[in-house]
This record gives sequence, structure tokens and C-alpha cells, in this order.
Amino acid sequence: AQSVSQHNHHVILSEAASLELGCNYSYGGTVNLFWYVQYPGQHLQLLLKYFSGDPLVKGIKGFEAEFIKSKFSFNLRKPSVQWSDTAEYFCAVNAPGSGAGSYQLTFGKGTKLSVIP
Amino acid sequence: NAGVMQNPRHLVRRRGQEARLRCSPMKGHSHVYWYRQLPEEGLKFMVYLQKENIIDESGMPKERFSAEFPKEGPSILRIQQVVRGDSAAYFCASSLDRGVGETQYFGPGTRLLVL
Repeated sequence: AQSVSQHNHHVILSEAASLELGCNYSYGGTVNLFWYVQYPGQHLQLLLKYFSGDPLVKGIKGFEAEFIKSKFSFNLRKPSVQWSDTAEYFCAVNAPGSGAGSYQLTFGKGTKLSVIP
Repeated sequence: NAGVMQNPRHLVRRRGQEARLRCSPMKGHSHVYWYRQLPEEGLKFMVYLQKENIIDESGMPKERFSAEFPKEGPSILRIQQVVRGDSAAYFCASSLDRGVGETQYFGPGTRLLVL
């Protein structure tokens, strides 16, 4: 079974600082990778996803993530954060070749980002 | 264009009562997924359903929990004889199809508190 690790529980940054949130997964086969964001009081929204092709994926609101297969990583980045990026960020993996569990998303525990104006 | 709807948003039950959580998928979506989030944890998969069929229930507790997605109406997650450990946020997601890389769209969740 696959698992996802998000190393930072809570990150605090000042506006305009650069952001990198770590995500590592454990699964030896083909994976689809996702970053979701949950703004305060709102539901989970998809930021970006990778399932094939260019390992550098660009998402909404200036976010991007890079899939490094050799490191089993899919870190989320943004060059300059804004106060409105304050939210909780979840990394998730799906393993399409894993039989009955192919459609499950396995989530990390989430990283809370607080951006100070 | 309504997203995934869940109700109620908050539900309080006493131990031993039943909890019924409802999920209406996005328009045109026929694939529904339920996830549970315990405090300080990530979302954990529970069950995947299509209309009138349970496809994958590998994440469902063996007792007291059941799910359905009838031909008409919302998907229901039912928890019988709730216990304090059932207190969690329950999220529903839907997708248009079941292909590789298919995006799951999430609802706002139902926060269940068992007293």
C-alpha cells in the first residue's frame, strides 16, 4: 500500500518569501500525484496534478510542483507567497495499477501555511 | 455550476445513535468517494461507489458503517451505534469518470461530533 509523508506540519512565512513544501510517497509503481489546498472555512480544492509528461507541473495561483521519480518526491513551490495563500496544503497519491485500490487517493497529514503580512 | 454538496455540515449525535451523511455529486458525475479525516490526520479513503454499486470498500470499518449510492438521490454514508471515536470530518468527492489521472472534486465535509 502507498503512503505519503509531508514533513512540515506548520510553516510560517512573511509575504513575498519563497515557499517549498515537501511531499514524499512510498510506492514502487506508476503514480498520479496531486496537491490540494483547503482555505479556512472552505472545501478542498485541486491546486495541480501530475500523471504523465513534463515532471514540472504548473497549477493555479502561481503554484508549481516537480515530480522527481528517483526521490519519490513531489514538492510544491511558489516563488513569492501572499497573505491569501494562508491555508492547509495536502499532498495525495493515487496508484492506478494497484488493483482494487486504483481509485483511492492516499493523503499526507497536511501542512498548515501561515503567511504574515 | 454547483459543486459537490454535503449535508448536514455539522452533526451532533450521542453514543449509540445513528448518523446519516449525505453527498450529492457534481452534475454529471457518477463516481463518488468517501474519506474520513480524524483530528491532526490526513484524509483516509473509506469507500468508492458508482450508481447502485460499491466498487471498493477496502477502507470501511467492518462493522456499523455502510454506504450506498442509489439510482436516484444522493449517496449516503450511514454509521450505526456511533461511538466517540467516530467523531471526525467526513468528506465526499466525485469524479466524472474513473480514468487515469481523473480529478476528484471534494465537498465541504460533514463534521460529526459524538457526545
